[in-house]
Amino acid sequence: GQNIDQPTEMTATEGAIVQINCTYQTSGFNGLFWYQQHAGEAPTFLSYNVLDGLEEKGRFSSFLSRSKGYSYLLLKELQMKDSASYLCAVRDPGNTPLVFGKGTRLSVIA
Amino acid sequence: GAGVSQSPSNKVTEKGKDVELRCDPISGHTALYWYRQSLGQGLEFLIYFQGNSAPDKSGLPSDRFSAERTGGSVSTLTIQRTQQEDSAVYLCASSLAKKRGGLNTGELFFGEGSRLTVL
Repeated sequence: GQNIDQPTEMTATEGAIVQINCTYQTSGFNGLFWYQQHAGEAPTFLSYNVLDGLEEKGRFSSFLSRSKGYSYLLLKELQMKDSASYLCAVRDPGNTPLVFGKGTRLSVIA
Repeated sequence: GAGVSQSPSNKVTEKGKDVELRCDPISGHTALYWYRQSLGQGLEFLIYFQGNSAPDKSGLPSDRFSAERTGGSVSTLTIQRTQQEDSAVYLCASSLAKKRGGLNTGELFFGEGSRLTVL
C-alpha cells in the first residue's frame, strides 16, 4: 500500500518561490506525479518523476529522491493564478491507479 | 470530444434514491478510473477499468456502489440507496496504459466531475 504525506496549507507572496514537499512510504514505486487543482475544477497534470533528480518545466520544477521517499514541487515567480491545491500522487509497479495525497492548498498573496 | 466528459455535472437527490453517473473517456484511452473527492479532502480511489474489466474494485465503499464499462469506452458509476455521506464530487479519469520503456507516462486526464448532493 501507499502512504503519502504533504502539508495541508501554505501561503506565499506574489513573485516569490515556494517549495511543496511530499513524502511517501510504498510497497513499490513506479513514478510520482504532481497535479494542480483550482477550486471547483478538475486536477490537471503538472509533472512526472520516475528517476532521481530534478525535472524543470518553465516556472515549475519537481524533484525526486527514491531512496528517501521524498519529492518536492518548486514554483518560481509566483503569480496570483497559482493559488490552487497541489496534489502529490504515487504509482505502484504495473498499470495500477495513482494514489493521491490529501493535497496542499497554496494561497498566493500580494 | 477532446477531453474526458462527465454527466451530470450536478446532481441533487433524496436519501434512498439511486443515481447514475456517466463518464466518456478520451478516445483510445484503455484505462478508466473513478475517484471521489469530498470537501477539503484528497482524491479517494474507487475503481478502475482496463478495457471492460475491472482488476481493482478495492476502493468501492460498500456494495451500494457498482460500475461498469462497455465497449471499452463509456463507464457508468451507480450508487444505490444513496446516503448523505455519499455527497462528494465524483471524478473520472482516463489514460493510455503505461508500457515499460515507453515514453508515455501513463498520466491521468480528469473530467470536470459530477457533484452529488444527497439531501
